[in-house]
Amino acid sequence: KAGVTQTPRYLIKTRGQQVTLSCSPISGHRSVSWYQQTPGQGLQFLFEYFSETQRNKGNFPGRFSGRQFSNSRSEMNVSTLELGDSALYLCASSLADGTSGQYFGPGTRLTVT
Amino acid sequence: TQLLEQSPQFLSIQEGENLTVYCNSSSVFSSLQWYRQEPGEGPVLLVTVVTGGEVKKLKRLTFQFGDARKDSSLHITAAQPGDTGLYLCAGALASGSRLTFGEGTQLTVNP
Repeated sequence: KAGVTQTPRYLIKTRGQQVTLSCSPISGHRSVSWYQQTPGQGLQFLFEYFSETQRNKGNFPGRFSGRQFSNSRSEMNVSTLELGDSALYLCASSLADGTSGQYFGPGTRLTVT
Repeated sequence: TQLLEQSPQFLSIQEGENLTVYCNSSSVFSSLQWYRQEPGEGPVLLVTVVTGGEVKKLKRLTFQFGDARKDSSLHITAAQPGDTGLYLCAGALASGSRLTFGEGTQLTVNP
């Protein structure tokens, strides 16, 4: 089975712009979660989607949004980028929920200048 | 305050030594997972433990879930340079709830 894929792998944006990141889960996995990883804060949960519905949400501002399509692929969007949004954004998929283990993609490295 | 506290944060040892990483909380978890992450890559799932007192072994790695399901440990025997990486524990408070990650333990094994 192919693993979780994320595109693009690297991205450079300027403050005020918006960005869309994409994630394709492992075939058959219906749950997709997004995380932000920074050296100071570690892995922070953004949101989780299951069957096209947002099931859980972390403590991030409304500039961070996501969606899931009928084929379980997911996108996350960050509007009005700030310097502090520079991070590694990770997507993880699992069969039903993440409590039995999640499978991560390689991440998208976002740099905001 | 972190829901999951990992210790130590950094660990640098020589090849062949043993080590233990701890993951502690005041909360009870329905399941706990350990991951290993290498630079520029996503975390890779090592193990999931769900039963209090459970012990799982993966080659030279031994994982234990505390009896009260509030803590866990990862023990590596005869560490090798290939074990170098960031080790993360993550817990779920209930089925269907999100995972909360510890801050991680950066392990360096020197040849």
